[in-house]
Amino acid sequence: QVQLVQSGAEVKKPGSSVKVSCKVSGGTFNNYTITWVRQAPGGGLEWMGRIIPLLGVTSYAQRFQTRVTITADKSTSTAYMELRTLRSEDTAMYYCARAFYCASFSCPISLLDSWGQGTPVTVSS
Amino acid sequence: DIVMTQSPDSLAVSLGERATISCKSSQSVLYSSNNKNYLAWYQQKPGQPPKLLIYWASSRASGVPDRFSGSGSGTDFTLTISSLQAEDVAVYYCQQHYDTPPVFGQGTKLEIK
Repeated sequence: QVQLVQSGAEVKKPGSSVKVSCKVSGGTFNNYTITWVRQAPGGGLEWMGRIIPLLGVTSYAQRFQTRVTITADKSTSTAYMELRTLRSEDTAMYYCARAFYCASFSCPISLLDSWGQGTPVTVSS
Repeated sequence: DIVMTQSPDSLAVSLGERATISCKSSQSVLYSSNNKNYLAWYQQKPGQPPKLLIYWASSRASGVPDRFSGSGSGTDFTLTISSLQAEDVAVYYCQQHYDTPPVFGQGTKLEIK
């Protein structure tokens, strides 16, 4: 059974960067897409972006386009999300989640069937 | 971007009663090539990550009790819990994954009356 295990809580200053990791075990990393979703305190789910590790292809939400980078290390089955120029509004729980990848145009690459436990990020001066 | 709108924002239902949550998309999420609706439902309990409940609008994910059902097509979808149990208290989100970005609805908070 696949498991996604995220790195621990972070406390950052405004203007700094944070890099959260998501290690995937129990499955074949190259068969997946990894998506990052964030949730502000008391808020809803917000899609940030995803990566197809097999191809190294990324897609980002427009509002994060200039500040986020999602990468994947196939040798360790780990995905990373780096968010730069942090502001207080970035205080949130950050989740990684898995979907299956296939080459078909109809492939549901954003159907998220397994989730990490979440990484709380606090941005405060 | 496709906009997903859920109603109501919150809902209180008695134990054993039916709970119904609606989700509407601003454009169809039915993919004509395979006749599938790219609409999923997730359940999020306090302090936990979301959990996939329903995919293809009406298929239950593995291990999901059969009191949960999904219906609808195109732009209008419904999640129904046929007989509410105490462990169903959660926030429920719909998500379209037809297009990028795969947007979530704003969530519906389900409580016990």
